[in-house]
Amino acid sequence: DSGVTQTPKHLITATGQRVTLRCSPRSGDLSVYWYQQSLDQGLQFLIQYYNGEERAKGNILERFSAQQFPDLHSELNLSSLELGDSALYFCASSEAQSGVTGYSGNTIYFGEGSWLTVV
Amino acid sequence: AQTVTQSQPEMSVQEAETVTLSCTYDTSESDYYLFWYKQPPSRQMILVIRQEAYKQQNATENRFSVNFQKAAKSFSLKISDSQLGDAAMYFCAYDMRFGAGTRLTVKP
Repeated sequence: DSGVTQTPKHLITATGQRVTLRCSPRSGDLSVYWYQQSLDQGLQFLIQYYNGEERAKGNILERFSAQQFPDLHSELNLSSLELGDSALYFCASSEAQSGVTGYSGNTIYFGEGSWLTVV
Repeated sequence: AQTVTQSQPEMSVQEAETVTLSCTYDTSESDYYLFWYKQPPSRQMILVIRQEAYKQQNATENRFSVNFQKAAKSFSLKISDSQLGDAAMYFCAYDMRFGAGTRLTVKP
């Protein structure tokens, strides 16, 4: 158990709909990351938050948005869903900020992922 | 841009043999960490090993070790005495970026 909690574990929804994925980081971790993994694909970095502020942005679509709340939990909002958005969405956390302007040394711990199926 | 490259989409090894998975990365920083993660069929992401760039000594975790060549920006993972349970996708990571992965098959 990594200590990172993601809900829901599985979600089936229709095209055009909007869903919210939720993540609670490990206790004490200030950074939260979101990744998308489509079937048999690698991990696509979407976005990172550090202590409530956006720190780095990857290949995140405009239909997707995220935020990190004062209690450090994070939500990833996916709207106007398309079939191609079906994927495993990982949340991960680390102790401090990394990349961009920070120290790139923090181990990133992953949740078990949220399986999203768009039908 | 910081990138991580894994040039071997698939690798195969005989049980009890040794296999090496390759990874190169790009960075302008001098002090950093590198990671290997394992993703078994369950899709869970499991940290295998991490290497501190300022350390000369290659990291080792039981049957897993790395060959870290800082000047060449190369970070390969060696799995010794391969076991059936090692079969998985392996991802190299630098900072928050991951390579495309290498699928390792272990043959009995």
